[in-house]
Amino acid sequence: QVQLVESGGGVVQPGRSLRLSCAASGFTFSSYGMHWVRQAPGKGLEWVAVIWYDGSNKYYADSVKGRFTISRDNSKNTLYLQMNSLRAEDTAVYYCARESHRIVGATMSRWFDPWGQGTLVTVSS
Amino acid sequence: DIQMTQSPSSLSASVGDRVTITCRASQGIRNDLGWYQQKPGKAPKRLIYAASSLQSGVPSRFSGSGSGTEFTLTISSLQPEDFATYYCLQHNSYSWTFGQGTKVEIK
Repeated sequence: QVQLVESGGGVVQPGRSLRLSCAASGFTFSSYGMHWVRQAPGKGLEWVAVIWYDGSNKYYADSVKGRFTISRDNSKNTLYLQMNSLRAEDTAVYYCARESHRIVGATMSRWFDPWGQGTLVTVSS
Repeated sequence: DIQMTQSPSSLSASVGDRVTITCRASQGIRNDLGWYQQKPGKAPKRLIYAASSLQSGVPSRFSGSGSGTEFTLTISSLQPEDFATYYCLQHNSYSWTFGQGTKVEIK
């Protein structure tokens, strides 16, 4: 079945780096845009980054721009999030999500499905 | 960047009640909006896309409406499994923004 599994979370000191991975299975990974979304403990959802199906375009939330890099390896069906210069406020559960879309009227409608189970990143000294 | 203001932040309701949640966009986003449900410790689940289109497998008691800057999620008759937190998500102009969430609790 269609599945996303994140890994790579853990405890890291402020200013250090961490790389998250998201392994995809059950669908043609190279045909879909992919996103990272995070959720700080007890808080709401925050969109982090997106990468086009072929890696040609990437967009980031202002809160992570210049520090985080999204990438993918379509030969390995894997999405990545390289997180540098980590801060306490980056502490969150990080989810990867597949972007699906459909033409509705004259526009392209997009949504996230499925999502992974999430991996917890804790930035603390 | 487009900001999404979701209200209320929480509400208490009883089984069978009609519940309405609103999201307002800081600028027009056509119908580039979806709704998600999240239960504690779980990943979000998609409910609505294109502001008013019901996702496959989602019960018909859920409905969405709106266009431009104001959007609404309605649950026509609240069921026990609907107690959760709900989020809107806009996806206009290569940016994605969630609303702050609405926690639906049992009265």
